[in-house]
Amino acid sequence: GAVVSQHPSWVICKSGTSVKIECRSLDFQATTMFWYRQFPKQSLMLMATSNEGSKATYEQGVEKDKFLINHASLTLSTLTVTSAHPEDSSFYICSARDSLSDTQYFGPGTRLTVL
Amino acid sequence: RKEVEQDPGPFNVPEGATVAFNCTYSNSASQSFFWYRQDCRKEPKLLMSVYSSGNEDGRFTAQLNRASQYISLLIRDSKLSDSATYLCVVGSGGSNYKLTFGKGTLLTVNP
Repeated sequence: GAVVSQHPSWVICKSGTSVKIECRSLDFQATTMFWYRQFPKQSLMLMATSNEGSKATYEQGVEKDKFLINHASLTLSTLTVTSAHPEDSSFYICSARDSLSDTQYFGPGTRLTVL
Repeated sequence: RKEVEQDPGPFNVPEGATVAFNCTYSNSASQSFFWYRQDCRKEPKLLMSVYSSGNEDGRFTAQLNRASQYISLLIRDSKLSDSATYLCVVGSGGSNYKLTFGKGTLLTVNP
């Protein structure tokens, strides 16, 4: 089946630094990718929808200047958490929508810990 | 009211038991429905889509009632490997399609 990869799988950083997370669709083209965040014992919350070649659409309450999204190709979207703080520590998961089958596939997630 | 609401759980059942999960959604314009399972510290994986006519996949049966905006999942003859968090997921939005996740119900199947 289709595979979506994320890199890194985990990261620990100091408060104030920026962290970039990559999401790749490995064997299909994804015009749309999604970024989610999941806090412990909570549901996945959609942060933003990333569209190839255009600006991302952010959900209410998500700061676009803090969570920078770039979807420069049909197989890659990146999320940069700028000036990370401890409250940004979370499990970040991307998904990619296969344009042909209209199915969403999830990446394995990135666990971010900000000290 | 939450967009997607599930049984809070957790459920603890013995092997071989039948387990039912319930879910309601608030957006009557929702167009697609799914059950995902999520293992601890892993990403969600699609278990099955849910159709109005109801559908079955081995030991798993899913039902959808659009009139009452209710979705269910039944697991028969539960196995130890069924232990996971089960997420009710609803797709909506047309051209701005997105998935909305329930909080999930944790299932533990005991030997």
